[in-house]
Amino acid sequence: EMQLLESGGGLVQPGGSLRLSCAASAFTFNTHSMAWVRQAPGKGLEWVSDISDSGRSTNYADSVEGRFIISRDNSKNTVDLQMSSLRVEDTAVYYCASSYLGIRGLFGPWGQGIVVTVSS
Amino acid sequence: EIVMTQSPVTLSVSPGERATLSCRASQSVSSNLAWYQQKPGQAPRLLIYSASIRATGIPARFSGSGSGTEFTLTISILQSEDFAVYYCQQYTNWPQTFGQGTKVEIK
Repeated sequence: EMQLLESGGGLVQPGGSLRLSCAASAFTFNTHSMAWVRQAPGKGLEWVSDISDSGRSTNYADSVEGRFIISRDNSKNTVDLQMSSLRVEDTAVYYCASSYLGIRGLFGPWGQGIVVTVSS
Repeated sequence: EIVMTQSPVTLSVSPGERATLSCRASQSVSSNLAWYQQKPGQAPRLLIYSASIRATGIPARFSGSGSGTEFTLTISILQSEDFAVYYCQQYTNWPQTFGQGTKVEIK
């Protein structure tokens, strides 16, 4: 069974940086695009960023463009999200998700989520 | 950006009854429409993709229909474990966008 495990969350001040990591196991990681989706407290789901299976293609939501960078290491089965210039409105649970059946933009499975809190 | 609108916001249903959830897209997404279930404190789980295909392991009581801009998720006989929030999502265009969710609660 495919499994994803996020790490790296925590409390950071506005303007600060944080790096999230997602480790994948039990599936052919390098054949799946990967994504980060977030959920602000009490709110719905917001796609943040995704990266192709090779890592050569990336996409970002307008709300994070220029501040977040997604990357992957297929030798380690990991995908990272480097977050900079963090804002209070970036506070959310961040989920790592794989592409379901290799369909980019379709998410499954998901990690359990990691909390990021941006506050002074 | 394609805006996804779900209705109703909250649906009160008794166990054993049918639940029908709606999702509307601001422009055609063809059949590139997914439904997810999220229980409190848990990650979302993919239920339906391509508007009507159940994901692996999803019970047959969940069914999806529609194409273009109008979609429906039906839960035929609600079980206690089905009370949750349901999101639709289009994946035809970037950015992929989600609806605001429908909460299915016990009546």
